[in-house]
Amino acid sequence: EVQLLESGGGLVQPGGSLRLSCAASGFTFSSYAMSWVRQAPGKGLEWVSGISGSGGSTYYADSVKGRFTISRDNSKNTLYLQMNSLRAEDTAVYYCAKDPGYCSGGSCYSEAWYFDLWGRGTLVTVSS
Amino acid sequence: SYELTQPPSVSVSPGQTASITCSGDKLGDKYACWYQQKPGQSPVVVIYQDSKRPSGIPERFSGSNSGNTATLTISGTQAMDESDYYCQAWDSSTVVFGGGTKLTVL
Repeated sequence: EVQLLESGGGLVQPGGSLRLSCAASGFTFSSYAMSWVRQAPGKGLEWVSGISGSGGSTYYADSVKGRFTISRDNSKNTLYLQMNSLRAEDTAVYYCAKDPGYCSGGSCYSEAWYFDLWGRGTLVTVSS
Repeated sequence: SYELTQPPSVSVSPGQTASITCSGDKLGDKYACWYQQKPGQSPVVVIYQDSKRPSGIPERFSGSNSGNTATLTISGTQAMDESDYYCQAWDSSTVVFGGGTKLTVL
């Protein structure tokens, strides 16, 4: 079954750290870019970070640049998000999401910059 | 930074056509996509690359993108279509979401 399963959320104090994981199954993980998208309680979607299929390129929203680090282990089919210096405004459900990539002119690319598969999310609460 | 603007809410009667807009500077020069999110569930893409429908998405969902506006159109709206809808585009290595539109079917 094609699925994404996030873990690692929880309650953390302001200034603290947390590492989220996303286990992928049912598809060739290394062929696809992945992203983290978050949703604060009662609010809209906010893209947090993305990484290419190889892991060689990473991208961040301005709101988390310098505090969060995205990475992946293609041998373990797992995506990570290391979150440091957490703030109250980082409180949200964090989703991992798969980019379907695309092929054109005989070449295939891992980034199409939209998401065709989402996990169920993991809740991160930053509070004292 | 790039911004996408959606109306907070849209109402439609069952069986009628609902249109949800998404505005951004020269949005027509980029690809837009749309997600449907029901309460307590993860988002699902209903339109990608402006007007393409993923397999399993009903034909009543369609999309267009030109100038500064992308539009999601739902023809023959059904009660099950009542959801939050988000547009999304990519600009300068950054994914951008619109603020979301709550579609009410009444």
